[in-house]
Amino acid sequence: GQNIDQPTEMTATEGAIVQINCTYQTSGFNGLFWYQQHAGEAPTFLSYNVLDGLEEKGRFSSFLSRSKGYSYLLLKELQMKDSASYLCAGLYNQGGKLIFGQGTELSVKP
Amino acid sequence: DAGITQSPRHKVTETGTPVTLRCHQTENHRYMYWYRQDPGHGLRLIHYSYGVKDTDKGEVSDGYSVSRSKTEDFLLTLESATSSQTSVYFCAISDRESSYEQYFGPGTRLTVT
Repeated sequence: GQNIDQPTEMTATEGAIVQINCTYQTSGFNGLFWYQQHAGEAPTFLSYNVLDGLEEKGRFSSFLSRSKGYSYLLLKELQMKDSASYLCAGLYNQGGKLIFGQGTELSVKP
Repeated sequence: DAGITQSPRHKVTETGTPVTLRCHQTENHRYMYWYRQDPGHGLRLIHYSYGVKDTDKGEVSDGYSVSRSKTEDFLLTLESATSSQTSVYFCAISDRESSYEQYFGPGTRLTVT
């Protein structure tokens, strides 16, 4: 299968930096998505990495290493509103389906 | 935001009854997906559609069927609801001609008693 693994919970302090890691099976892999999901709401798109390296988008950056089956989401200058679940999802070549990890619940504390 | 709506948004039903959830989009996207989200499991694909009348199974399709008679509507039916189908159901759409990004609807919270 295409197991997507990420930590269940993380806690960080307002204003700090946090890195959320994700590992995945490399067979059939095409790309890696990160979504943000606030409690009771729909997931919203954050980033999509196809090539190795770091992609920066404001306070959020996402990194991919295809050879290692590894990605991370980096959140800088944390704000209270960043408290949410962060979903890692791999795009695989069987019909272009997304396989999601169980999500990382991030709590930002004052 | 992508134009996706789901109905109903909340439903309570009894074991053994059929239930149909509707996803409606105004984006004319070819691909539509149904997921369920449960604690500890994340989002899991139930069924998806790659065009009108073209559908395929996802990883948790048992007990569910789908239909797509128009581009804008994708229906999910629980043929005989069970308590294990209590979940939050999300519809998503994608225009894979330009991007693999999926846009999600607001979700339907279904409780089977």
